[in-house]
Amino acid sequence: QKEVEQNSGPLSVPEGAIASLNCTYSDRGSQSFFWYRQYSGKSPELIMSIYSNGDKEDGRFTAQLNKASQYVSLLIRDSQPSDSATYLCAVRNTGFQKLVFGTGTRLLVSP
Amino acid sequence: EAGVTQFPSHSVIEKGQTVTLRCDPISGHDNLYWYRRVMGKEIKFLLHFVKESKQDESGMPNNRFLAERTGGTYSTLKVQPAELEDSGVYFCASSQAGTDQPQHFGDGTRLSIL
Repeated sequence: QKEVEQNSGPLSVPEGAIASLNCTYSDRGSQSFFWYRQYSGKSPELIMSIYSNGDKEDGRFTAQLNKASQYVSLLIRDSQPSDSATYLCAVRNTGFQKLVFGTGTRLLVSP
Repeated sequence: EAGVTQFPSHSVIEKGQTVTLRCDPISGHDNLYWYRRVMGKEIKFLLHFVKESKQDESGMPNNRFLAERTGGTYSTLKVQPAELEDSGVYFCASSQAGTDQPQHFGDGTRLSIL
């Protein structure tokens, strides 16, 4: 079992719709959770971080964390074609600084 | 503020040769990380520097890989001798001192071993 699992996609949504990206993790000691966006050939760019159960909103992005279910998600409202990218879920475990990544979900937003 | 910079952006070498990758972190960032993504796999941690000290090198695959960060500024990652399975994209990230600081990534070096 991988430490961080994501559906590789692609996830296709029409412009203006809500895109829902999901991630599960195996280590119950995980304490910090991150969503990175990566365009092809570019660096992973941090878009959201979440540390406690519940929702965290930042503009069109909402991160949701459920530690009991070991589940973290990212919602993108009013999706735009420019949101088309690979979204990486990353987890940091207690006592460590390193990030553990999922393989990423490719999102395609069609005009 | 300049971001994390990596050189070269792409390197093609033959098996058995040596390659050195360089990373310049964001100015003032004490923490520097190396990660690697091989084709079809997830990004995986290699090692972590705090200033010039290796804090965690648990992800280094074998002794053909040598990372240095002399003076606590830029870092180099040397692969000697390179093997076919070393091909992939090598990312560098940096963060400010302290726990739970966000890691900022460079664009990576795409390494191809022929």
